[in-house]
Amino acid sequence: DAGVIQSPRHEVTEMGQEVTLRCKPISGHDYLFWYRQTMMRGLELLIYFNNNVPIDDSGMPEDRFSAKMPNASFSTLKIQPSEPRDSAVYFCASSLARGLNNEQFFGPGTRLTVL
Amino acid sequence: AQSVTQLGSHVSVSEGALVLLRCNYSSSVPPYLFWYVQYPNQGLQLLLKYTSAATLVKGINGFEAEFKKSETSFHLTKPSAHMSDAAEYFCAVSGVFTDKLIFGTGTRLQVFP
Repeated sequence: DAGVIQSPRHEVTEMGQEVTLRCKPISGHDYLFWYRQTMMRGLELLIYFNNNVPIDDSGMPEDRFSAKMPNASFSTLKIQPSEPRDSAVYFCASSLARGLNNEQFFGPGTRLTVL
Repeated sequence: AQSVTQLGSHVSVSEGALVLLRCNYSSSVPPYLFWYVQYPNQGLQLLLKYTSAATLVKGINGFEAEFKKSETSFHLTKPSAHMSDAAEYFCAVSGVFTDKLIFGTGTRLQVFP
């Protein structure tokens, strides 16, 4: 299995532009998670999906952030408009199920820089 | 409710020395416990996990952790540090009915020659 795939790996954009981050989870995994990691705030859970349905989006910082999962093999995290404080590494992770099999497998991350 | 506390945001050891990274958890249900490692510019990868079988769990790269219910601890150890162990380590907790992992704030391990 190729693992969790994220694209792009690096994104540099200017303030005010729309940014779309993409994630392909491991095939057969029911859960997908989006995280943000910064030096100041550490690792933060933004939102997670179960069977393509958003379960908890309480970590989404504000309305500029949105996430979708149109099918079991694809998810997007969109920031519109982007701001310099959004600069961070964004990780996608997936897990098979809840309980005993809920270990998460992380993608390599997307490093976002907003100028 | 569940939480984890990692004592020490930075730990430094000499190559060949014992590595001890501390994690204490709080959980109202029997916990599942995890250690993840993050190497520079990479995602997190699972080192080991405890799911209520053996209390001493062995993971990859010579790491192990012991679940101690009386102390609510799940400390990570390695007998002899290697330069390649330099990374950030995260402890996490979940439970049988839990969808997500609750991560600690991480401990950065430095290994000096």
